[in-house]
Amino acid sequence: QQPVQSPQAVILREGEDAVINCSSSKALYSVHWYRQKHGEAPVFLMILLKGGEQKGHDKISASFNEKKQQSSLYLTASQLSYSGTYFCGTESRNDYKLSFGAGTTVTVRA
Amino acid sequence: DVKVTQSSRYLVKRTGEKVFLECVQDMDHENMFWYRQDPGLGLRLIYFSYDVKMKEKGDIPEGYSVSREKKERFSLILESASTNQTSMYLCASSNKNFGVVNTEAFFGQGTRLTVV
Repeated sequence: QQPVQSPQAVILREGEDAVINCSSSKALYSVHWYRQKHGEAPVFLMILLKGGEQKGHDKISASFNEKKQQSSLYLTASQLSYSGTYFCGTESRNDYKLSFGAGTTVTVRA
Repeated sequence: DVKVTQSSRYLVKRTGEKVFLECVQDMDHENMFWYRQDPGLGLRLIYFSYDVKMKEKGDIPEGYSVSREKKERFSLILESASTNQTSMYLCASSNKNFGVVNTEAFFGQGTRLTVV
């Protein structure tokens, strides 16, 4: 079952912040985050393995609330290069199945 | 530097044809996946494989089958193509981490399949 992402789309000006949420109806073992630019393959950003773990990639960070079966991706002081579609991928315990959400399209404008 | 290669970027097939989509990875990864990507629906998992000759259904397996005879190759088969299978198909691979979870997944460039 696909995780649910919100919002579907967000438009930002350079320097603004945004949060993308990802939730699952199943208990999660890990959460992946990827970014896909137009016409390209999705590219890995980070993986979170433990409840409460936060990771960062440049000014992009994420948290994982295992109890709530949720993860959030934080875009801080957004840059033009942050534009793209962000996908969360989730894995349940003892299952190699990696399911992705519908994506969140981020547009950063000058 | 190419890691996951899909055999075709674009394919046009007729309704009812048997279609093979091939994917090869050169990273010795154990896990391989097939997704289809449609606007507004994101990446939907069709099938995955965590070992040679092993296959598991994903979220939307109907109308598809897969084959993994060698570790580096994972094939997606449309037994009888239909117009509703027109889509972008993405292959991905990853490794096991501590024997349990997926590590970073690498994606191929995708195959745009049109069924007419």
